[in-house]
Amino acid sequence: QITLKESGPTLVKPTQTLTLTCTFSGFSLSTSGVGVGWIRQPPGKALEWLALIYWDDDKRYSPSLKSRLTITKDTSKNQVVLTMTNMDPVDTATYYCALLAGAFDIWGQGTMVTVSS
Amino acid sequence: DIQMTQSPSTLSASVGDRVTITCRASQSISSWLAWYQQKPGKAPKLLIYKASSLESGVPSRFSGSGSGTEFTLTISSLQPDDFATYYCQQYAPVGGLTFGGGTKVEIK
Repeated sequence: QITLKESGPTLVKPTQTLTLTCTFSGFSLSTSGVGVGWIRQPPGKALEWLALIYWDDDKRYSPSLKSRLTITKDTSKNQVVLTMTNMDPVDTATYYCALLAGAFDIWGQGTMVTVSS
Repeated sequence: DIQMTQSPSTLSASVGDRVTITCRASQSISSWLAWYQQKPGKAPKLLIYKASSLESGVPSRFSGSGSGTEFTLTISSLQPDDFATYYCQQYAPVGGLTFGGGTKVEIK
């Protein structure tokens, strides 16, 4: 059974750096073709893709957020980490990680992050 | 980057209706398109991948079609469990990914 779970702070202050961890099981991020992505959704708004890392360490970023994002993987720990710098209240959202084996086949439950002083 | 335009943004329909949602890409994405269903407070669920392939376990009343820049999601006979928000997403191999703006299917 494949599962993914997001973890990290629920509240961050403006200008701080957000670090989110996606811990997964049931698949390996060293398997050819596999990727893990991050997607966010502000309250009442649409989904927004943020970043993606593939089994071969190929990394992709949303052009509008590229300067603020870093995605890394730790295959031995079955984890993918996303950092987002210079957080702002408009970054308040539910952040999801998801397995990409084609499309986003399996999603985590999401973690709500609020940016407020 | 590739933009995805979904229409309509809201759709009112009754149980048993045939429902069609459209997604347009700003450039050709071949068949690299997925459709998701999302219910309030829940993560999205994959329905269709590669434009027309039904994800395992998804009811056959859902179907997808199109290629290039024009795509549709059709629900042949709307069921009570289908009232939700639907998103398209392109995942062409080159570059990044993009979601459409979503279509909320409401009870008429």
